[in-house]
Amino acid sequence: SQQGEEDPQALSIQEGENATMNCSYKTSINNLQWYRQNSGRGLVHLILIRSNEREKHSGRLRVTLDTSKKSSSLLITASRAADTASYFCASRQGAQKLVFGQGTRLTINP
Amino acid sequence: DAGVTQSPTHLIKTRGQQVTLRCSPKSGHDTVSWYQQALGQGPQFIFQYYEEEERQRGNFPDRFSGHQFPNYSSELNVNALLLGDSALYLCASNLRGSGGWGEQFFGPGTRLTVL
Repeated sequence: SQQGEEDPQALSIQEGENATMNCSYKTSINNLQWYRQNSGRGLVHLILIRSNEREKHSGRLRVTLDTSKKSSSLLITASRAADTASYFCASRQGAQKLVFGQGTRLTINP
Repeated sequence: DAGVTQSPTHLIKTRGQQVTLRCSPKSGHDTVSWYQQALGQGPQFIFQYYEEEERQRGNFPDRFSGHQFPNYSSELNVNALLLGDSALYLCASNLRGSGGWGEQFFGPGTRLTVL
């Protein structure tokens, strides 16, 4: 069974607004990664944050990690229609596997 | 530089049949992982192959098996298909020498439908 939980399950905002997605996990991690998936196709890696990092930025993306609360958040600023997709957090609990959450379906309305 | 490739794109099978899915990792990658993604769910780890051996396995029955070839490509085999095996099957690879850590590069997936 999956060990990650994401909140909200679905999010709909207007273009230009910021979108925030949250993720919780259950066990100790080595790193946490965020992926984007368009229309049930392959996943695209967005950003990786290590367990000893608290915040990381990449373009319009900002990720935070709170290992004491076993949670992470992904902020997308100045959203665009092209950001419409499902977003997944994935915790790495060893070299072998990623444990994914159920994802947040983000819709950007023009 | 080609990314991770998977074949076929779509596949329809009937219950009880067997299926083989194929994956070629990204150039310079040596570790291949397989995931099953049911509709509306996140991907679930099936297993990982490294140096032609299964290194770790998720919570999947023995009906799911795999293989990795010397050129690092991999196959996923599923026997005695059930309706519940209908899903998107994703392959991912890791950079050679990374030991499986870090970013995983995903292929576009194979959509399997079991009737």
